[in-house]
Amino acid sequence: KAGVTQTPRYLIKTRGQQVTLSCSPISGHRSVSWYQQTPGQGLQFLFEYFSETQRNKGNFPGRFSGRQFSNSRSEMNVSTLELGDSALYLCASSYRSNEQFFGPGTRLTVL
Amino acid sequence: AQKITQTQPGMFVQEKEAVTLDCTYDTSDQSYGLFWYKQPSSGEMIFLIYQGSYDEQNATEGRYSLNFQKARKSANLVISASQLGDSAMYFCAMRYSGGSNYKLTFGKGTLLTVNP
Repeated sequence: KAGVTQTPRYLIKTRGQQVTLSCSPISGHRSVSWYQQTPGQGLQFLFEYFSETQRNKGNFPGRFSGRQFSNSRSEMNVSTLELGDSALYLCASSYRSNEQFFGPGTRLTVL
Repeated sequence: AQKITQTQPGMFVQEKEAVTLDCTYDTSDQSYGLFWYKQPSSGEMIFLIYQGSYDEQNATEGRYSLNFQKARKSANLVISASQLGDSAMYFCAMRYSGGSNYKLTFGKGTLLTVNP
């Protein structure tokens, strides 16, 4: 069974631009979660989607948004990029509560 | 609120020896799950092992075992027979498992270096 895939793997943007990251979960997994990882703040939960509905949300500004499609694929959007948004963005999918499998991540650099 | 504490920023171990990575947690929930992940320099988070709060036995997965002490709120990872490929960041995480909240709360991580 294929793992979680994320595209693109690397991205360079400039301040003020917007970006969309994509995540395809493991087949059959309906829960998709997003995390931001930075050296200063560590791993922080952004949001979780289940069956196209946002089920949980972390403490991030409204510039961070997401959605999930009927095939469980998820996208995350960040508008009006700031330098501090430079991070590794990780997507994870789950079928049961005792598991969460991560993708390889998208490394975003904001210049 | 949930909190994970990993007090060892870095650890060194000789190849073929065992190593214990510490993790303590704080939660008021009765039903929760504890996870350990490995993150090599490539960035991908690799799931290692899971322990449920009601599991009576400590979890084991190959060379990985979780030393779960519920009363002390600790969930230490034990890696037996360390290999050079075990060098990586290790994260302890927890999640409330009584409802539909799949959010993971992570610790700051421990950087493990395995010396030949």
